[in-house]
Amino acid sequence: SQKIEQNSEALNIQEGKTATLTCNYTNYSPAYLQWYRQDPGRGPVFLLLIRENEKEKRKERLKVTFDTTLKQSLFHITASQPADSATYLCAGGATNKLIFGTGTLLAVQP
Amino acid sequence: DTGVSQDPRHKITKRGQNVTFRCDPISEHNRLYWYRQTLGQGPEFLTYFQNEAQLEKSRLLSDRFSAERPKGSFSTLEIQRTEQGDSAMYLCASSPTKAGDYNEQFFGPGTRLTVL
Repeated sequence: SQKIEQNSEALNIQEGKTATLTCNYTNYSPAYLQWYRQDPGRGPVFLLLIRENEKEKRKERLKVTFDTTLKQSLFHITASQPADSATYLCAGGATNKLIFGTGTLLAVQP
Repeated sequence: DTGVSQDPRHKITKRGQNVTFRCDPISEHNRLYWYRQTLGQGPEFLTYFQNEAQLEKSRLLSDRFSAERPKGSFSTLEIQRTEQGDSAMYLCASSPTKAGDYNEQFFGPGTRLTVL
Protein backbone atom coordinates (compact mmCIF):
# COMPACT_ATOMS: atom_id res chain seq x y z
CA SER A 1 0.00 0.00 0.00
CA GLN A 2 1.04 3.61 -0.48
CA LYS A 3 3.06 4.76 2.47
CA ILE A 4 4.85 7.82 3.83
CA GLU A 5 7.42 6.97 6.48
CA GLN A 6 8.99 9.33 8.97
CA ASN A 7 11.35 8.62 11.83
CA SER A 8 9.08 7.99 14.78
CA GLU A 9 11.87 8.67 17.28
CA ALA A 10 12.02 12.19 18.65
CA LEU A 11 14.80 14.43 17.40
CA ASN A 12 16.55 16.40 20.14
CA ILE A 13 18.88 19.21 19.12
CA GLN A 14 20.51 22.27 20.66
CA GLU A 15 19.26 25.77 19.93
CA GLY A 16 21.08 27.30 16.98
CA LYS A 17 21.80 23.99 15.25
CA THR A 18 20.17 22.75 12.04
CA ALA A 19 17.41 20.17 12.41
CA THR A 20 17.05 17.67 9.57
CA LEU A 21 13.94 15.51 9.31
CA THR A 22 13.52 12.65 6.85
CA CYS A 23 10.49 11.50 4.86
CA ASN A 24 10.50 8.39 2.67
CA TYR A 25 7.70 7.17 0.43
CA THR A 26 6.97 3.69 -0.87
CA ASN A 27 4.66 2.07 -3.40
CA TYR A 28 3.70 5.28 -5.17
CA SER A 29 5.06 8.38 -6.80
CA PRO A 30 3.63 11.54 -5.28
CA ALA A 31 3.38 14.51 -7.59
CA TYR A 32 4.22 16.73 -4.64
CA LEU A 33 5.15 16.62 -0.98
CA GLN A 34 3.96 18.96 1.73
CA TRP A 35 5.32 19.60 5.18
CA TYR A 36 3.14 20.62 8.11
CA ARG A 37 3.77 21.58 11.71
CA GLN A 38 1.46 20.28 14.43
CA ASP A 39 1.40 21.44 18.04
CA PRO A 40 -0.28 19.31 20.74
CA GLY A 41 -4.08 19.40 20.57
CA ARG A 42 -4.14 21.52 17.41
CA GLY A 43 -4.61 20.97 13.70
CA PRO A 44 -1.61 20.83 11.35
CA VAL A 45 -0.32 24.09 9.88
CA PHE A 46 1.07 24.14 6.33
CA LEU A 47 4.75 25.05 5.95
CA LEU A 48 6.08 24.18 2.49
CA LEU A 49 5.14 22.38 -0.71
CA ILE A 50 7.61 20.93 -3.21
CA ARG A 51 6.72 19.44 -6.60
CA GLU A 52 8.32 16.33 -8.07
CA ASN A 53 10.15 18.38 -10.69
CA GLU A 54 11.70 20.66 -8.04
CA LYS A 55 14.88 19.70 -6.25
CA GLU A 56 14.79 22.23 -3.45
CA LYS A 57 12.51 24.89 -1.94
CA ARG A 58 13.32 27.49 0.70
CA LYS A 59 11.25 29.73 2.95
CA GLU A 60 13.00 31.82 5.58
CA ARG A 61 14.81 29.30 7.86
CA LEU A 62 13.16 26.30 6.22
CA LYS A 63 14.48 24.21 3.35
CA VAL A 64 12.98 21.12 1.78
CA THR A 65 14.42 18.78 -0.86
CA PHE A 66 12.75 16.17 -3.04
CA ASP A 67 14.83 13.27 -4.40
CA THR A 68 12.72 11.07 -6.67
CA THR A 69 15.59 8.59 -7.11
CA LEU A 70 15.94 7.96 -3.38
CA LYS A 71 12.16 8.44 -2.89
CA GLN A 72 12.95 10.82 -0.10
CA SER A 73 12.39 14.35 1.13
CA LEU A 74 14.55 16.13 3.67
CA PHE A 75 13.24 19.03 5.75
CA HIS A 76 15.75 21.37 7.33
CA ILE A 77 15.28 24.08 9.95
CA THR A 78 18.37 26.24 10.28
CA ALA A 79 19.26 28.26 13.39
CA SER A 80 16.65 26.29 15.32
CA GLN A 81 14.86 27.87 18.28
CA PRO A 82 12.94 26.35 21.21
CA ALA A 83 9.77 27.74 19.56
CA ASP A 84 10.38 25.32 16.67
CA SER A 85 9.64 22.39 19.01
CA ALA A 86 6.64 20.56 17.56
CA THR A 87 5.69 17.51 15.50
CA TYR A 88 6.46 17.85 11.80
CA LEU A 89 4.33 15.91 9.34
CA CYS A 90 5.25 14.97 5.79
CA ALA A 91 2.41 14.37 3.34
CA GLY A 92 2.46 13.11 -0.23
CA GLY A 93 -0.15 13.81 -2.85
CA ALA A 94 -0.88 12.68 -6.37
CA THR A 95 -4.31 14.25 -6.62
CA ASN A 96 -6.10 16.17 -3.92
CA LYS A 97 -5.80 13.30 -1.46
CA LEU A 98 -2.89 13.57 0.96
CA ILE A 99 -1.20 10.59 2.60
CA PHE A 100 0.48 11.64 5.84
CA GLY A 101 3.39 10.13 7.68
CA THR A 102 3.29 9.58 11.42
CA GLY A 103 5.30 12.73 12.06
CA THR A 104 8.59 13.38 13.82
CA LEU A 105 8.68 15.17 17.17
CA LEU A 106 11.38 17.84 17.25
CA ALA A 107 12.60 19.15 20.60
CA VAL A 108 14.97 22.13 20.53
CA GLN A 109 16.83 22.55 23.80
CA PRO A 110 17.81 26.09 24.91
CA ASP B 1 -11.29 34.77 12.76
CA THR B 2 -11.42 33.64 9.13
CA GLY B 3 -9.86 30.19 9.63
CA VAL B 4 -11.50 26.76 9.52
CA SER B 5 -13.76 26.18 12.50
CA GLN B 6 -15.07 22.93 13.92
CA ASP B 7 -17.81 22.24 16.41
CA PRO B 8 -17.83 20.79 18.97
CA ARG B 9 -14.20 20.78 20.05
CA HIS B 10 -14.75 17.83 22.35
CA LYS B 11 -17.41 15.12 22.41
CA ILE B 12 -17.81 12.29 24.90
CA THR B 13 -20.41 9.70 24.04
CA LYS B 14 -21.42 6.20 24.99
CA ARG B 15 -20.90 3.25 22.69
CA GLY B 16 -23.80 2.82 20.32
CA GLN B 17 -24.82 6.49 20.22
CA ASN B 18 -24.78 8.63 17.07
CA VAL B 19 -22.64 11.76 16.87
CA THR B 20 -22.46 14.60 14.35
CA PHE B 21 -19.62 17.06 13.84
CA ARG B 22 -19.68 20.29 11.91
CA CYS B 23 -16.95 22.01 9.89
CA ASP B 24 -17.04 25.55 8.52
CA PRO B 25 -14.29 26.02 5.93
CA ILE B 26 -12.63 29.27 4.89
CA SER B 27 -15.37 30.98 2.93
CA GLU B 28 -13.77 31.16 -0.51
CA HIS B 29 -12.43 27.59 -0.41
CA ASN B 30 -14.41 25.13 -2.49
CA ARG B 31 -12.53 22.00 -1.40
CA LEU B 32 -13.17 20.39 1.96
CA TYR B 33 -11.55 17.33 3.53
CA TRP B 34 -12.15 15.17 6.58
CA TYR B 35 -9.34 13.27 8.33
CA ARG B 36 -9.11 11.11 11.41
CA GLN B 37 -6.04 11.20 13.66
CA THR B 38 -5.23 8.83 16.53
CA LEU B 39 -2.48 9.33 19.07
CA GLY B 40 1.00 9.05 17.63
CA GLN B 41 -0.26 8.81 14.04
CA GLY B 42 -0.60 11.24 11.20
CA PRO B 43 -4.00 12.28 9.86
CA GLU B 44 -5.77 9.58 7.82
CA PHE B 45 -7.83 10.72 4.84
CA LEU B 46 -11.56 9.99 5.16
CA THR B 47 -13.34 11.93 2.43
CA TYR B 48 -13.14 14.96 0.14
CA PHE B 49 -15.69 17.40 -1.32
CA GLN B 50 -15.42 19.79 -4.21
CA ASN B 51 -18.28 22.21 -3.62
CA GLU B 52 -21.22 19.98 -2.68
CA ALA B 53 -19.98 16.89 -4.54
CA GLN B 54 -18.31 14.14 -2.52
CA LEU B 55 -15.55 13.06 -4.89
CA GLU B 56 -13.62 10.50 -2.91
CA LYS B 57 -14.16 8.30 0.13
CA SER B 58 -11.61 6.18 1.91
CA ARG B 59 -12.25 2.49 2.45
CA LEU B 60 -11.72 3.37 6.13
CA LEU B 61 -15.07 5.10 5.99
CA SER B 62 -17.43 2.28 6.91
CA ASP B 63 -21.15 2.47 6.31
CA ARG B 64 -21.53 3.88 9.83
CA PHE B 65 -19.84 7.08 8.65
CA SER B 66 -21.50 9.62 6.39
CA ALA B 67 -20.49 13.10 5.36
CA GLU B 68 -22.43 15.84 3.64
CA ARG B 69 -21.83 19.30 2.29
CA PRO B 70 -25.32 20.25 1.18
CA LYS B 71 -24.77 23.78 -0.13
CA GLY B 72 -21.09 23.64 -0.79
CA SER B 73 -20.31 25.60 2.37
CA PHE B 74 -20.24 23.89 5.78
CA SER B 75 -19.96 20.12 6.11
CA THR B 76 -21.13 17.55 8.64
CA LEU B 77 -19.63 14.19 9.52
CA GLU B 78 -21.95 11.71 11.24
CA ILE B 79 -20.93 8.50 12.94
CA GLN B 80 -23.74 6.10 13.71
CA ARG B 81 -23.60 3.39 16.39
CA THR B 82 -20.24 4.61 17.69
CA GLU B 83 -17.63 2.07 18.77
CA GLN B 84 -14.66 2.56 21.10
CA GLY B 85 -12.36 2.30 18.08
CA ASP B 86 -13.91 5.49 16.73
CA SER B 87 -12.24 7.49 19.51
CA ALA B 88 -9.90 9.90 17.74
CA MET B 89 -9.41 13.51 16.67
CA TYR B 90 -11.52 14.34 13.62
CA LEU B 91 -9.91 17.06 11.53
CA CYS B 92 -11.45 19.15 8.80
CA ALA B 93 -9.40 21.03 6.23
CA SER B 94 -10.20 23.28 3.29
CA SER B 95 -8.28 24.49 0.28
CA PRO B 96 -8.86 26.80 -2.65
CA THR B 97 -8.75 25.74 -6.28
CA LYS B 98 -5.60 27.11 -7.84
CA ALA B 99 -3.78 26.39 -11.06
CA GLY B 100 -1.64 23.29 -10.80
CA ASP B 101 -3.97 21.65 -8.29
CA TYR B 102 -1.28 21.25 -5.64
CA ASN B 103 -2.72 23.24 -2.82
CA GLU B 104 -1.93 23.60 0.82
CA GLN B 105 -4.70 22.58 3.12
CA PHE B 106 -5.86 24.75 6.00
CA PHE B 107 -6.84 22.67 9.00
CA GLY B 108 -9.33 23.37 11.73
CA PRO B 109 -8.63 22.71 15.41
CA GLY B 110 -10.34 19.31 15.29
CA THR B 111 -13.08 17.59 17.26
CA ARG B 112 -11.82 15.12 19.84
CA LEU B 113 -14.23 12.20 20.17
CA THR B 114 -14.13 9.86 23.16
CA VAL B 115 -16.38 6.80 23.04
CA LEU B 116 -16.92 5.19 26.44
